[in-house]
Amino acid sequence: DVKVTQSSRYLVKRTGEKVFLECVQDMDHENMFWYRQDPGLGLRLIYFSYDVKMKEKGDIPEGYSVSREKKERFSLILESASTNQTSMYLCASSLLTSGRGEQYFGPGTRLTVT
Amino acid sequence: AQSVSQHNHHVILSEAASLELGCNYSYGGTVNLFWYVQYPGQHLQLLLKYFSGDPLVKGIKGFEAEFIKSKFSFNLRKPSVQWSDTAEYFCAGRPYNNNDMRFGAGTRLTVKP
Repeated sequence: DVKVTQSSRYLVKRTGEKVFLECVQDMDHENMFWYRQDPGLGLRLIYFSYDVKMKEKGDIPEGYSVSREKKERFSLILESASTNQTSMYLCASSLLTSGRGEQYFGPGTRLTVT
Repeated sequence: AQSVSQHNHHVILSEAASLELGCNYSYGGTVNLFWYVQYPGQHLQLLLKYFSGDPLVKGIKGFEAEFIKSKFSFNLRKPSVQWSDTAEYFCAGRPYNNNDMRFGAGTRLTVKP
């Protein structure tokens, strides 16, 4: 079974702090994704990566950056956390294969910024 | 812009009722379509997927979905729901040749025992 793990289930940070969210997958997937999930808005893509050191902006990249130094690990960074970044953050991974590759999701990190 | 829309925000049914959740997408070409489910406190799981071939796709737990290309729709169905189907359901789609997966806003299903 594919396993996607996220470093924390719950996180509380203060405004202005730098926040790191870590994601690790164990199935050698090329693609990795970061979404945020908000009620009534579904999942919105922040960033994705299709290879080590490669990244692409999603729909809402502002205020976020990412890092992928190893294939299995994809980090989301909030440079200076703000209250409007309070949300559930989901990491996902998938195979690169064109036309295939459903996404496998981690359990999510519920981030509260106070 | 490519998008996926779900018609219902919250659906409430009694056990044994039939379910149909609507999903429409705006892609013009070949698409891959998915339904995911998120049970309370759990992570998103794949229910079923459509890539090509038979437009009627069967998934886990008795769910099925029908791809109707002329209507740009991929509605989820289940003939008889159970209390354990209470969850949030997300439709998602992407052009078959890239990673640009888009999700709908989700439909919360509540099944009353």
